[in-house]
Amino acid sequence: QSALTQPPSASGSPGQSVTISCTGTSSDFGGYNYVSWYQQHPGKAPKLMIFEVSKRPSGVPDRFSGSKSGNTASLTVSGLQVEDEADYYCISYAGSNKWVFGGGTKLTVV
Amino acid sequence: QVQLVESGGGVVQPGRSLRLSCAASGFTFSSYAMHWVRQAPGKGLEWVAILSYDGGNKYYADSVKGQFTISRDNSKKMLYLQMNNLRGEDTAVYYCARGMYSYGSGSPDYWGQGTLVTVSS
Repeated sequence: QSALTQPPSASGSPGQSVTISCTGTSSDFGGYNYVSWYQQHPGKAPKLMIFEVSKRPSGVPDRFSGSKSGNTASLTVSGLQVEDEADYYCISYAGSNKWVFGGGTKLTVV
Repeated sequence: QVQLVESGGGVVQPGRSLRLSCAASGFTFSSYAMHWVRQAPGKGLEWVAILSYDGGNKYYADSVKGQFTISRDNSKKMLYLQMNNLRGEDTAVYYCARGMYSYGSGSPDYWGQGTLVTVSS
């Protein structure tokens, strides 16, 4: 189980859009649409932002959206706000009841 | 509201054992799979294990297989992680998290605040 590949960092200005990628192998994503994204502020527990590639839990702003093409999943944050500055992690179901996280991306709102 | 509270962390010497606990409330605990996820200091998240709603199916990351055991007591709404033969690389904040479904195909949705395990002599 190798970690999914995410860029270490991403940045954008308030109001802009930023997209974070999450790349794996066919065995990581395995043809499943079980990709989720989490937001983690320093010292806090992760918070679910997107599940099953593109679904938003109740209470998550629609500025957050997810997609997947082949072996790459993406999280897009539109209309960036200062409070969006955080670490973001993807996770994918890798089959056989196992899960694998991405290495994380630090999003900076400059 | 869903609440998960971990306990049992602390400083432990290499080679020793530790059992983490996670108390659940605010949902029907016996209907959901549960995960353990860890995060080494300054590092990313690492999935550790998952246990089905009834405790009958358990799966582990290769890094902890044979070393850690996940279990649950649905009557007490408790999740456990027995960690044996601890090593320095097991030092991390350990989170329990609810799975979205009763079996393994649901990612974590609600998370506890975590408990820190430090393996050091």
